[in-house]
Amino acid sequence: GENVEQHPSTLSVQEGDSAVIKCTYSDSASNYFPWYKQELGKRPQLIIDIRSNVGEKKDQRIAVTLNKTAKHFSLHITETQPEDSAVYFCAAWGSSASKIIFGSGTRLSIRP
Amino acid sequence: GAGVSQSPSNKVTEKGKDVELRCDPISGHTALYWYRQSLGQGLEFLIYFQGNSAPDKSGLPSDRFSAERTGGSVSTLTIQRTQQEDSAVYLCASSVGQGGTEAFFGQGTRLTVV
Repeated sequence: GENVEQHPSTLSVQEGDSAVIKCTYSDSASNYFPWYKQELGKRPQLIIDIRSNVGEKKDQRIAVTLNKTAKHFSLHITETQPEDSAVYFCAAWGSSASKIIFGSGTRLSIRP
Repeated sequence: GAGVSQSPSNKVTEKGKDVELRCDPISGHTALYWYRQSLGQGLEFLIYFQGNSAPDKSGLPSDRFSAERTGGSVSTLTIQRTQQEDSAVYLCASSVGQGGTEAFFGQGTRLTVV
């Protein structure tokens, strides 16, 4: 069935450094790729998304890249800050699946 | 309402009892999703609704789990004969249209089976 793999499961970076989280998907019909941030005890919230007709999208310190051929996409956070500490989930949606499938999550910790 | 609303926020139940979890999506959102999140784990897909129909029930863990949606709005997730392994946070999300748009999550229902 449809699957989204996410790596790494945990990531610790020094404040000010960059963080990169990578995901791969199995359904070649997937065409929408959102990223969600979940702070401790809170609900997941969308931070950025990308569609299959775009290779890269940026929003301030956050960027997402998509390689359709390789079926992988990545989240890049630059100049990390303490408030970036959270669990990040990638996801994929495609018309053949008609549901949003999430990766297993990455726990990002920012060291002061 | 302003966002996706779930009730109750917390539910403690005895093993073997039935429970009903409610999700009230954002008005006008036709797609509704249920996910389960065990402590420190990811988002496990349970079921998806488009309008009142459920094209995909593949994630329901067993026949003790069922869900319905009426009037294209409120959805209830029912767990019969609860087991301790059912303990988790149950999250509901809704989105405009069939997909490819932002899904907004509710605050979740924390279910504890004792």
